[in-house]
Amino acid sequence: DVKVTQSSRYLVKRTGEKVFLECVQDMDHENMFWYRQDPGLGLRLIYFSYDVKMKEKGDIPEGYSVSREKKERFSLILESASTNQTSMYLCASSHPGTHNEQFFGPGTRLTVL
Amino acid sequence: ILNVEQSPQSLHVQEGDSTNFTCSFPSSNFYALHWYRWETAKSPEALFVMTLNGDEKKKGRISATLNTKEGYSYLYIKGSQPEDSATYLCAPSGTGANNLFFGTGTRLTVIP
Repeated sequence: DVKVTQSSRYLVKRTGEKVFLECVQDMDHENMFWYRQDPGLGLRLIYFSYDVKMKEKGDIPEGYSVSREKKERFSLILESASTNQTSMYLCASSHPGTHNEQFFGPGTRLTVL
Repeated sequence: ILNVEQSPQSLHVQEGDSTNFTCSFPSSNFYALHWYRWETAKSPEALFVMTLNGDEKKKGRISATLNTKEGYSYLYIKGSQPEDSATYLCAPSGTGANNLFFGTGTRLTVIP
């Protein structure tokens, strides 16, 4: 079974802190994605990566950066957390050969105080 | 970015009722259409992926149809059960794109 894991289910940070959200997939997928989900807004794409060391901005990249040093790991970084980044963060991975079907991790609920 | 619309936004039905929702998307450069079910406190889970105009997929009491020429897909649930309560997301992808474009979802609540 495809497995996508995220480092934390719940995280509480203070404004201004640097925050790392880690995502690991075990299916050798080329593509990895970070989304945030807010009530009434659905899933919004922050960044994605289609190869090691490659990254592409999604719809809402401001305030975030990413790192993909290894194929299986995709990190989302909040350089200086702000209260408006309180949200549910979901990581996903996909293989181009399966019509880009995405497999999701369990999510990290981040609260920034 | 693809403009994806799902309707209704939310729906309450009685156990045993059948229901359906709609996903609308641009028909140009269409590649595939995905449906996901997202239960509270769980990860979104893939239901169907459809690629051909006229495609119809079925999984138990849930089925979906696809019209790529006019840009819409319907998801049907026959005899809704409380365990069907979830948010149903549709996500088309365009040719040459590695990413999906998610709608805001239809939140279904099935009342016992």
